Amino acid sequence: AQSVTQLGSHVSVSEGALVLLRCNYSSSVPPYLFWYVQYPNQGLQLLLKYTTGATLVKGINGFEAEFKKSETSFHLTKPSAHMSDAAEYFCAVRSGGGADGLTFGKGTHLIIQP
Amino acid sequence: SQTIHQWPATLVQPVGSPLSLECTVEGTSNPNLYWYRQAAGRGLQLLFYSVGIGQISSEVPQNLSASRPQDRQFILSSKKLLLSDSGFYLCAWSLGRGAGNTIYFGEGSWLTVV
Repeated sequence: AQSVTQLGSHVSVSEGALVLLRCNYSSSVPPYLFWYVQYPNQGLQLLLKYTTGATLVKGINGFEAEFKKSETSFHLTKPSAHMSDAAEYFCAVRSGGGADGLTFGKGTHLIIQP
Repeated sequence: SQTIHQWPATLVQPVGSPLSLECTVEGTSNPNLYWYRQAAGRGLQLLFYSVGIGQISSEVPQNLSASRPQDRQFILSSKKLLLSDSGFYLCAWSLGRGAGNTIYFGEGSWLTVV
């Protein structure tokens, strides 16, 4: 079985400040990890993903995430927040093969203070 | 390029009425197809997935059903809606059987059961 825990249902940062959204996973086999962003009343858009290889993954809109196996974490960061980053962010895990879907965390709502 | 469409975008239905949400994918063949539900404060829950025509896997027992009558068409149905069926429904697709393959989401359908 696999699961994802996102610490903090809401995170508030000032514009220009560091963004850190936390994600921890549980998986019995090497995981594939994803971060998605959802703007209000829209579907989900892929920010970045980790499959194999380099543990620091760069994505769109200046976001990056680092896979740390020893900590079972895949935290999302951005050096400087923009107002346009305000959205819901979801971490997801998928293990093994097959076509079954992703297991998502409950999401973190990112608020950007002017 | 591949695109995914789902409709209707918004739906208000009385308790006990039937439901039909449709989703089509263009620009690819033999995709894996998914239905997710997003309820307030509960993240995304995988409802069904399909690896081919007529092949449906159910993740959560409920009064919803899914069908795949054509390669790129996925339908979510219910014979009698419950209040608890309200939520944001997302169709998604991916290619291949690799767990690292990205899942791409549609724009979603808001269902309110009254």
